[in-house]
Amino acid sequence: DAKTTQPPSMDCAEGRAANLPCNHSTISGNEYVYWYRQIHSQGPQYIIHGLKNNETNEMASLIITEDRKSSTLILPHATLRDTAVYYCIVRVGVTGGGNKLTFGTGTQLKVEL
Amino acid sequence: DGGITQSPKYLFRKEGQNVTLSCEQNLNHDAMYWYRQDPGQGLRLIYYSQIVNDFQKGDIAEGYSVSREKKESFPLTVTSAQKNPTAFYLCASHQGRAKNIQYFGAGTRLSVL
Repeated sequence: DAKTTQPPSMDCAEGRAANLPCNHSTISGNEYVYWYRQIHSQGPQYIIHGLKNNETNEMASLIITEDRKSSTLILPHATLRDTAVYYCIVRVGVTGGGNKLTFGTGTQLKVEL
Repeated sequence: DGGITQSPKYLFRKEGQNVTLSCEQNLNHDAMYWYRQDPGQGLRLIYYSQIVNDFQKGDIAEGYSVSREKKESFPLTVTSAQKNPTAFYLCASHQGRAKNIQYFGAGTRLSVL
């Protein structure tokens, strides 16, 4: 699986957009980008995933660059409840190898008033 | 409600004791996973099971054992051979073949007395 690089921490004002970057320069053509988040002392929660095109759901938007070497997770109107560690994971999309997800140390997002 | 239930939430182990962490899911998922998380770190895979009566070692299986006798249940035993068991343990299940979306339980925090 391709390795990902994320900043260790970011701050965001409540109500503003939070833009969380992720570098995955060694991503291969069949690997998807997944985002999860983990609120303190809870289990991780799936947010969104994508292959090439930008994706949007009720939680967030995912912007993937044309060369697929980096992506940005966007929380359009961050709230205090979005304070969490955000993990960017790159993985092939089909079943194989047990679907192991490699969670790095992620980005600690702190949303403040 | 559908989901993954882990119990207990907190568990204490004495020296030389085996303890078992429970994980039950009613999502009808085939695959289940156990992860370990140490403070400030990402998740590391202990064991996974893709089907009933079958399971594979993850990256840090030593000192742990599992069983998968029923689709809904995937208990993890932390044996006395695991010399540093203090951690946050997370169970997850996998949605389906084409997506790597894993759903997590709330976790069990294990400490050594």
